[in-house]
Amino acid sequence: KQEVTQIPAALSVPEGENLVLNCSFTDSAIYNLQWFRQDPGKGLTSLLLIQSSQREQTSGRLNASLDKSSGRSTLYIAASQPGDSATYLCAVRPGDSNYQLIWGAGTKLIIKP
Amino acid sequence: DGGITQSPKYLFRKEGQNVTLSCEQNLNHDAMYWYRQDPGQGLRLIYYSQIVNDFQKGDIAEGYSVSREKKESFPLTVTSAQKNPTAFYLCASNLGVNYGYTFGSGTRLTVV
Repeated sequence: KQEVTQIPAALSVPEGENLVLNCSFTDSAIYNLQWFRQDPGKGLTSLLLIQSSQREQTSGRLNASLDKSSGRSTLYIAASQPGDSATYLCAVRPGDSNYQLIWGAGTKLIIKP
Repeated sequence: DGGITQSPKYLFRKEGQNVTLSCEQNLNHDAMYWYRQDPGQGLRLIYYSQIVNDFQKGDIAEGYSVSREKKESFPLTVTSAQKNPTAFYLCASNLGVNYGYTFGSGTRLTVV
């Protein structure tokens, strides 16, 4: 059964630092992996979607990588800003599912001014 | 602007009541989903619908019901059979299997 883990559960860094958030999954047979951002009490905002055939995707200061063989994805945030403070969630679509997503519990990120 | 609208933002339910959460999208997406979010846990799928007039149970469908009479609308009813309904409910949609998800802003349901 596919499981998704995000470590650490919380992270606090000074403004301006580059940082990496981690997402690991137990079964390499996936369709895609998606990173989301959630602000407190709000819905989710899609950040990046990586298909199983891709190695990475970039959007602005964000770069997400995917290594299926090791069951890992990382979200790299360059030059962090206080506005990046949020909970970051990753979700995997298993290869044996048409519509199910398996979710990590998220990493709560705080960027200190 | 295209997007997903969830209403109400906050909802209070008395014991034994059924309540309905609204989800409307104008993205022309075929698939729609309902998730439940509890503190410290990953999102859990309640129901999903791939096309109009069709829907399937997710991992935690007991105590919930849905309908999909229109492509744009996917309301969720939390029935009195759901014994622990206090949670944050999120509606989402997408074009299909290989596409990303768009989420609404959520409804926070509290039992009083």
